[in-house]
Amino acid sequence: EPEVTQTPSHQVTQMGQEVILRCVPISNHLYFYWYRQILGQKVEFLVSFYNNEISEKSEIFDDQFSVERPDGSNFTLKIRSTKLEDSAMYFCASSEMGRLYNSPLHFGNGTRLTVT
Amino acid sequence: AQKITQTQPGMFVQEKEAVTLDCTYDTSDQSYGLFWYKQPSSGEMIFLIYQGSYDEQNATEGRYSLNFQKARKSANLVISASQLGDSAMYFCAMKGGPTGGNEKLTFGTGTRLTIIP
Repeated sequence: EPEVTQTPSHQVTQMGQEVILRCVPISNHLYFYWYRQILGQKVEFLVSFYNNEISEKSEIFDDQFSVERPDGSNFTLKIRSTKLEDSAMYFCASSEMGRLYNSPLHFGNGTRLTVT
Repeated sequence: AQKITQTQPGMFVQEKEAVTLDCTYDTSDQSYGLFWYKQPSSGEMIFLIYQGSYDEQNATEGRYSLNFQKARKSANLVISASQLGDSAMYFCAMKGGPTGGNEKLTFGTGTRLTIIP
């Protein structure tokens, strides 16, 4: 069964450094997402991406964050200058028909980001 | 705006018993979808089951079923014959709007289910 692939599984970085989290969505999916989950807390929406542009973003997704689809398969989340509070599990997800209410999101295994 | 409420932060259930995880929702959308995800201790998010707002029958997927009561705005997950491998965090989520609508999922706070041997 096709799946969403995320790398790395765990990333440790120092405060102020830039990180890039990588994702390969399911190949025939058109809508891509990033979510984050701070340890023990709820899953929070960051950004959705369709047709090579951001379609929606949350308040969390400030100027420190950016997303890119550099080629036909990868989808990346960049955090320019990491803060301690960016420590979280980051999930990439994709959906075949994102704007249909009956189209589920399929999540990757997540990247655990630790900022020290 | 959409809101999902899961009132059970944790549940302990004996192996082989059935378990019901509660989920209530609030939305102004006429068309919406309700989803349940499982998050084992390893951290991944696994899609379990889906229910559409216009579906007349409750969704079922193997041992999972969704007890959908539209008037009460509830979409409870029922796991029959629980197994040790069912121990995990379970999230209820929803999205609304038929097309051109809100494409993102809104999650509840989750219920941590522990199956006791």
